[in-house]
Amino acid sequence: DSGVTQTPKHLITATGQRVTLRCSPRSGDLSVYWYQQSLDQGLQFLIQYYNGEERAKGNILERFSAQQFPDLHSELNLSSLELGDSALYFCASSDDDRGRVTGELFFGEGSRLTVL
Amino acid sequence: AQSVTQLGSHVSVSEGALVLLRCNYSSSVPPYLFWYVQYPNQGLQLLLKYTSAATLVKGINGFEAEFKKSETSFHLTKPSAHMSDAAEYFCAVSRGSNYKLTFGKGTLLTVNP
Repeated sequence: DSGVTQTPKHLITATGQRVTLRCSPRSGDLSVYWYQQSLDQGLQFLIQYYNGEERAKGNILERFSAQQFPDLHSELNLSSLELGDSALYFCASSDDDRGRVTGELFFGEGSRLTVL
Repeated sequence: AQSVTQLGSHVSVSEGALVLLRCNYSSSVPPYLFWYVQYPNQGLQLLLKYTSAATLVKGINGFEAEFKKSETSFHLTKPSAHMSDAAEYFCAVSRGSNYKLTFGKGTLLTVNP
């Protein structure tokens, strides 16, 4: 058990819909990362938050947004969903100082999104 | 920009045989390098990491990797494969000053009895 909790584990929805994925980081970790894993693209970094502030952006679509709340949990919002958004979405957390990736990322088990 | 190339999307070995998973990186500055493992229906778990200390890094479950700057490689090895090693393995790179961890495409390891 990594200590990172993601909900829901599975989600099936239709094109055009909006979903919210939730992540609770390990106790004490200030950084939260979101990754998308798909067969064709592999593991793609989406976005990182550190102590409530956006710290880095990767290949995140404009239809996607995220935030980190004062209690440090994070949500990833996916809107106007398309078939190609079907993927496994991972949240990870770390205690790295100021967001420097010099240490270990602790991954949740992922949220599997299926868009029909 | 930093990137990672994992040679071979699928490697198959017999139980007890040597495991060698290849990773080459490109980075304009000395990188931090990682190997992660993903078991079926689970998240990724850190196997080992290189952060500019010893070039031979030992990780969990008997795995080790050697950083070779001249070859820009960070190959993962294990002397004797076990059935429980069957999983997908990801090499990753970070520059340290860059906030994102860049992953390779992954190598699926199959262990045959």
